[in-house]
Amino acid sequence: QSVLTQPPSASGTPGQRVTISCSGSSSNIGSNYVYWYQQLPGTAPKLLIYRNNQRPSGVPDRFSGSKSGTSASLAIGGLRSEDEADYYCAAWDDSLSGPVFGTGTKVTVL
Amino acid sequence: EVQLVESGGGLVQPGGSLRLSCTASGFTFSNFWIHWVRQAPGKGLVWVSRINTDGSYTSYADSVKGRFTISRDNAKNTLYLQMNSLRAEDTAVYYCARVGDYDHPPDYWGQGTLVTVSS
Repeated sequence: QSVLTQPPSASGTPGQRVTISCSGSSSNIGSNYVYWYQQLPGTAPKLLIYRNNQRPSGVPDRFSGSKSGTSASLAIGGLRSEDEADYYCAAWDDSLSGPVFGTGTKVTVL
Repeated sequence: EVQLVESGGGLVQPGGSLRLSCTASGFTFSNFWIHWVRQAPGKGLVWVSRINTDGSYTSYADSVKGRFTISRDNAKNTLYLQMNSLRAEDTAVYYCARVGDYDHPPDYWGQGTLVTVSS
């Protein structure tokens, strides 16, 4: 039961910049940090962004996150073929007392 | 290197039971909260349950409350999910996932184990 809303798909040509939005509410994004994950086909989610805009070591700086109010966004700059994957946002939800996830966005490199 | 390895998935009939395990390595297991998150085929991620560092606190999504039980054995670096009264809608890949900060989404995930509930 996804509580955070993302566009189902996004696409771009190699080298382009793609942005994915994530919309929530005051009980999740509005009051907590946003995380972003990349899920390649048949694999587990991998952390891309934590605490709204922080990158774990090893994640290229082509990936960047931002948050404003009850919405957040992930930007992928200099799009590459290996970026084709599903991307999910997530945030703690104070009402659920658990994490909530986005509906997921499939990124296609044309 | 942080590693989480799930096991125990498989095919089970509706109404049946299954116990999943998640073995951790590469970090001090007893210092971290751990969650179970599931993903139905072709669908998104859904939180299932969480447990605190010593196992004294647990919480569940409404969809599994009263049917699933999360537990841990810190001496064995292992997390468990006992699933009873399974339903077709419980069919999913089940991931165990470590939480780096209390009341935050997970940072590291296991590779997942598939549970299929079907007659």
